[in-house]
Amino acid sequence: DAKTTQPNSMESNEEEPVHLPCNHSTISGTDYIHWYRQLPSQGPEYVIHGLTSNVNNRMASLAIAEDRKSSTLILHRATLRDAAVYYCISGGEYGNKLVFGAGTILRVKS
Amino acid sequence: NAGVTQTPKFQVLKTGQSMTLQCAQDMNHEYMSWYRQDPGMGLRLIHYSVGAGITDQGEVPNGYNVSRSTTEDFPLRLLSAAPSQTSVYFCASSYADRLGPYNSPLHFGNGTRLTVT
Repeated sequence: DAKTTQPNSMESNEEEPVHLPCNHSTISGTDYIHWYRQLPSQGPEYVIHGLTSNVNNRMASLAIAEDRKSSTLILHRATLRDAAVYYCISGGEYGNKLVFGAGTILRVKS
Repeated sequence: NAGVTQTPKFQVLKTGQSMTLQCAQDMNHEYMSWYRQDPGMGLRLIHYSVGAGITDQGEVPNGYNVSRSTTEDFPLRLLSAAPSQTSVYFCASSYADRLGPYNSPLHFGNGTRLTVT
């Protein structure tokens, strides 16, 4: 499984956009890039995933670099409820083999 | 839909005791897996299953057994509990992508908090 690198923590103001970076320099051509988040005392929650093209859904956008060695999760307007640990992970054949790192702690200030 | 259901939510064991953590999903997902999460750390894969009757080891399988007799259930057994197994355990499931590499999201349960004294 490809390894990913994320900053330990980031801080944002409420109602402002947040860009969470992730490096995955050893990603293979068939590995998807996944983002999950984990709120306190809960299980991880799927946010978004993609392979090559940028992706949008109701929660966030995923911008993938052309060489696929990095990606950015974009929260367009951070709210206090977005404060969580965000995991960027990359995996191949079976989702069950996704390897979670320590993630980025996102703090949102009001 | 209940999604992924884990029981119990909390459990305290004494060293050497055995127990089974239950995980059930009602989404007809082929893939199921168990992770453990220690304080301040990410999730580590214990065991996973790609379908009924098929299981395989993840990153940290020692001290744990699994079986997959039905699509819905994937219990995790602690054979002889040790303090090092004090952790929060998460079960997850996902469906298979028939077109090629995995691209379906994992659905997680809310976890079982286990303390071994």
